[in-house]
Amino acid sequence: AQKVTQAQTEISVVEKEDVTLDCVYETRDTTYYLFWYKQPPSGELVFLIRRNSFDEQNEISGRYSWNFQKSTRSFNFTITASQVVDSAVYFCALSTGRWSNYQLIWGAGTKLIIKP
Amino acid sequence: EPEVTQTPSHQVTQMGQEVILRCVPISNHLYFYWYRQILGQKVEFLVSFYNNEISEKSEIFDDQFSVERPDGSNFTLKIRSTKLEDSAMYFCASSLGGWGYGYTFGSGTRLTVV
Repeated sequence: AQKVTQAQTEISVVEKEDVTLDCVYETRDTTYYLFWYKQPPSGELVFLIRRNSFDEQNEISGRYSWNFQKSTRSFNFTITASQVVDSAVYFCALSTGRWSNYQLIWGAGTKLIIKP
Repeated sequence: EPEVTQTPSHQVTQMGQEVILRCVPISNHLYFYWYRQILGQKVEFLVSFYNNEISEKSEIFDDQFSVERPDGSNFTLKIRSTKLEDSAMYFCASSLGGWGYGYTFGSGTRLTVV
């Protein structure tokens, strides 16, 4: 079975703090993709990153970084020096490929509140 | 950058009425999806569409729902007889070839059933 767990329902930090959003996934497939999306209060889904199961290199994009640990089935997302504009709901998602027609399986989301 | 366009952005309808949510996927994409997000909850898969037919659907996608790609550009989701619990944000997405190519989401249609 495929499943994505985001155990943190809500995180609140003060601006400029670093914050890590956890994502744990389950799948029996050896080939899969993991995604992070941001959903600001306006409601749209903003793509942040896509990572395939064969690439365990960590990725950094500006203040954002992602840590993919296949051994622990985790794909955590860290925001460094958080800003108020980072306040949003963040979703982790899994796509296990052609047998599921590439549909995305979503975590429940983590609501991130950055206080000024 | 190419976009997925959804219309309307917000629709209010009375319970029992039919609604059609419209999406224009990116023109060279091959896979199309509808997802639903009830307010404050997770995003849920409804249906995927490939090669002019439904390729997979979830338990949510019952007989009240249907999808069409009537003219090669639009991709529609029809709800025949809306219920209060159909109130949600509906997202359309398209993909060139599935996961490796990523997914492009529309900005969503907020459906309110009263």
